Amino acid sequence: QKEVEQNSGPLSVPEGAIASLNCTYSDRGSQSFFWYRQYSGKSPELIMSIYSNGDKEDGRFTAQLNKASQYVSLLIRDSQPSDSATYLCAVFSDRGSTLGRLYFGRGTQLTVWP
Amino acid sequence: EAQVTQNPRYLITVTGKKLTVTCSQNMNHEYMSWYRQDPGLGLRQIYYSMNVEVTDKGDVPEGYKVSRKEKRNFPLILESPSPNQTSLYFCASSQGSNQPQHFGDGTRLSIL
Repeated sequence: QKEVEQNSGPLSVPEGAIASLNCTYSDRGSQSFFWYRQYSGKSPELIMSIYSNGDKEDGRFTAQLNKASQYVSLLIRDSQPSDSATYLCAVFSDRGSTLGRLYFGRGTQLTVWP
Repeated sequence: EAQVTQNPRYLITVTGKKLTVTCSQNMNHEYMSWYRQDPGLGLRQIYYSMNVEVTDKGDVPEGYKVSRKEKRNFPLILESPSPNQTSLYFCASSQGSNQPQHFGDGTRLSIL
């Protein structure tokens, strides 16, 4: 079982719509969760971090965490063509690791069409 | 400016010729990590380090070595590169292992 799984996509939404990206994780003890955006050929950049259950909003982005369901999501409101990128979910786990480490999902490719 | 710097950005080399990709961060971060990214496989961790002289294997450590002699530097060494190590490599750092990671710009390696 993979540590972090994302809906594989690709996801395509019209400009102005809400894009919903989903991620599940296997370690129930995980405490830190991150969403990264990666444009083609570029490095991942952090969009959101979330550590407690509930919603966290930052501009057009909302991260939602449900630890009981081991589920974290990212909502992008009023999607813009510039949001077209691959979105990576990352979860911190110290299960089976002396140091603890981040596990990344394979990413969901989002296309926002005008 | 806070940054993670990787060098080189691009490299084409031949099988068996030892190479080193350098990574340096100026944020006094304790945690550093190397990833490779291949189409359809996402980011896979190679090695990571919590502090000087403390390193551990990630998902795909075979064929790679690392060292952490100084806090700011975390070089990735390919002792005998092979074509299956052709990939896009990223170095990242963070204040702690459970904190957001800052990524370098990436190094694209082609091994012929």
